[in-house]
Amino acid sequence: DAKTTQPNSMESNEEEPVHLPCNHSTISGTDYIHWYRQLPSQGPEYVIHGLTSNVNNRMASLAIAEDRKSSTLILHRATLRDAAVYYCILAMNYGGSQGNLIFGKGTKLSVKP
Amino acid sequence: DTGVSQDPRHKITKRGQNVTFRCDPISEHNRLYWYRQTLGQGPEFLTYFQNEAQLEKSRLLSDRFSAERPKGSFSTLEIQRTEQGDSAMYLCASSLVHSGGYGYTFGSGTRLTVV
Repeated sequence: DAKTTQPNSMESNEEEPVHLPCNHSTISGTDYIHWYRQLPSQGPEYVIHGLTSNVNNRMASLAIAEDRKSSTLILHRATLRDAAVYYCILAMNYGGSQGNLIFGKGTKLSVKP
Repeated sequence: DTGVSQDPRHKITKRGQNVTFRCDPISEHNRLYWYRQTLGQGPEFLTYFQNEAQLEKSRLLSDRFSAERPKGSFSTLEIQRTEQGDSAMYLCASSLVHSGGYGYTFGSGTRLTVV
């Protein structure tokens, strides 16, 4: 299974942008890049996903490197509610449909007021 | 539709007892996944269904574990003869099969404590 590498932890100040990096040098041409976050005692929450182009939604932006070997999740203005563990995951593409998600340990984001 | 529901939220059981968890996915989602998560670790894949067919099982799913999705709607995960090492959060997720990729929706999980 394709692997991702993320920093164990990061800190941010409230209302500042946050850039969460992820390396996935073994990504194959059809793997999707997913980001999820998990608050304590809750299930993971979908944030965003993409294949080749940068993606934006109401929660965040996903910037994908041209060679697809890395990506960055961007939270435009961090709030205290964004403090969570963020997982970068590659979803393998089997003939046009996604396979299951293989989680790593993620990045624990702390947000300071 | 309020998302993925899991029941119960918490379960304490004695070692050696059997337990069963239920997951109700988002109604239009045809895929359903089970994961297990221990403290400080990311969720680990156990198994998944497409409609009622169980398509993949992880090596983590020992013969004491069985999962069903009888009519392609809700699913159950049963653990027989529970052991202390089974203590974990059991998470269910659902998604659509879609060529463009699709986000997974997770439930809040069932926390199992084996004493």
